[in-house]
Amino acid sequence: AQSVTQPDIHITVSEGASLELRCNYSYGATPYLFWYVQSPGQGLQLLLKYFSGDTLVQGIKGFEAEFKRSQSSFNLRKPSVHWSDAAEYFCAVGATNNAGNMLTFGGGTRLMVKP
Amino acid sequence: DGGITQSPKYLFRKEGQNVTLSCEQNLNHDAMYWYRQDPGQGLRLIYYSQIVNDFQKGDIAEGYSVSREKKESFPLTVTSAQKNPTAFYLCASSIRGRGEQFFGPGTRLTVL
Repeated sequence: AQSVTQPDIHITVSEGASLELRCNYSYGATPYLFWYVQSPGQGLQLLLKYFSGDTLVQGIKGFEAEFKRSQSSFNLRKPSVHWSDAAEYFCAVGATNNAGNMLTFGGGTRLMVKP
Repeated sequence: DGGITQSPKYLFRKEGQNVTLSCEQNLNHDAMYWYRQDPGQGLRLIYYSQIVNDFQKGDIAEGYSVSREKKESFPLTVTSAQKNPTAFYLCASSIRGRGEQFFGPGTRLTVL
């Protein structure tokens, strides 16, 4: 069974600083990987996804993530954080089987942005 | 505008009452999902459905029930058997097979 670990429960960065959110996964085959963002009281919005090919993927809102198979990681990065990026971020790993495409989510990382 | 709608946004229930949460999608997706989210926790899968008239239990199905009579709709009933139902409930849908899930705005259920 697959699993996802987001080691950092909370992260605080200053506006304009760079950001890296960590995600480690466990999965026996090549995973499908996702990053979602959730504002308080809202649903989840997809930031980016990795299925295959180029290991550096670009997403919306200036985010990118890099798939590193050797480290079982899929860390999310942004070069310059804006106050509106304050939210909770979830990493997820997907598996396709006879039951369809199932996602397993990490526990989330709450990002706070200092002015 | 294609998307997923959930209603109501806020729901209050007395202990011992069943309550049904609505989820509708117009994305023509075959698969639909229900998740529960508790403060400071990730998402836990309650039920999912890959096709009409078929659904499967997720990790925390006890105290919940669903139906899938139409492709567009996947209502969730929180029964009185659910011991701790106060939570944020999220519905999602996806194309069958590999692919991302699209989420609705959520329903916050509070048991009084």
